[in-house]
Amino acid sequence: SQKIEQNSEALNIQEGKTATLTCNYTNYSPAYLQWYRQDPGRGPVFLLLIRENEKEKRKERLKVTFDTTLKQSLFHITASQPADSATYLCATPAGYGQNFVFGPGTRLSVLP
Amino acid sequence: DAGITQSPRHKVTETGTPVTLRCHQTENHRYMYWYRQDPGHGLRLIHYSYGVKDTDKGEVSDGYSVSRSKTEDFLLTLESATSSQTSVYFCAISESRLAGGSTDTQYFGPGTRLTVL
Repeated sequence: SQKIEQNSEALNIQEGKTATLTCNYTNYSPAYLQWYRQDPGRGPVFLLLIRENEKEKRKERLKVTFDTTLKQSLFHITASQPADSATYLCATPAGYGQNFVFGPGTRLSVLP
Repeated sequence: DAGITQSPRHKVTETGTPVTLRCHQTENHRYMYWYRQDPGHGLRLIHYSYGVKDTDKGEVSDGYSVSRSKTEDFLLTLESATSSQTSVYFCAISESRLAGGSTDTQYFGPGTRLTVL
């Protein structure tokens, strides 16, 4: 079955730098991949969707890439701010007719 | 939280007691989901619904049942709670499921923290 791995459980970065989070999937090549943000004590909030035929997607300071050869998506936050501190989850359809599978998340801390 | 409420928000119960969690949406979305979130496991799907009275199992459905008698309400029941069901439970909704685009986006409720002693 599909599994998603996210590069690290926690990532600390200095304010103003670019944060890069990694999402790797193991089996089925998904038609698209989503990124969500989750703040403590709250439900995940959708950020971006990237399809398999799109190499890159941008939204304000966020950029997502999708490399089907590497089975990987990278999530970048440029000019990071302390307000970007949160847990970021990636998710994909688990397979044909299957449900979504979520990664365990990476907890990002942006230090002032 | 996109027109989704969950109740209760916190609950402490004892092993062996029945527990029902409620999810209510005002978005009229067809699909509703129940997830649990545990450290090290991320979000795992328990059950989902694709319409009134239409439900299906997810990855971790053992020990849980669901019902959907109205479009806006999706209930999760633990018939006899166990300590392994201590978790944070999230309800989510979406317009479509696996349609391949933005309408698959899931909108999550605020969560219910359940502790089974």
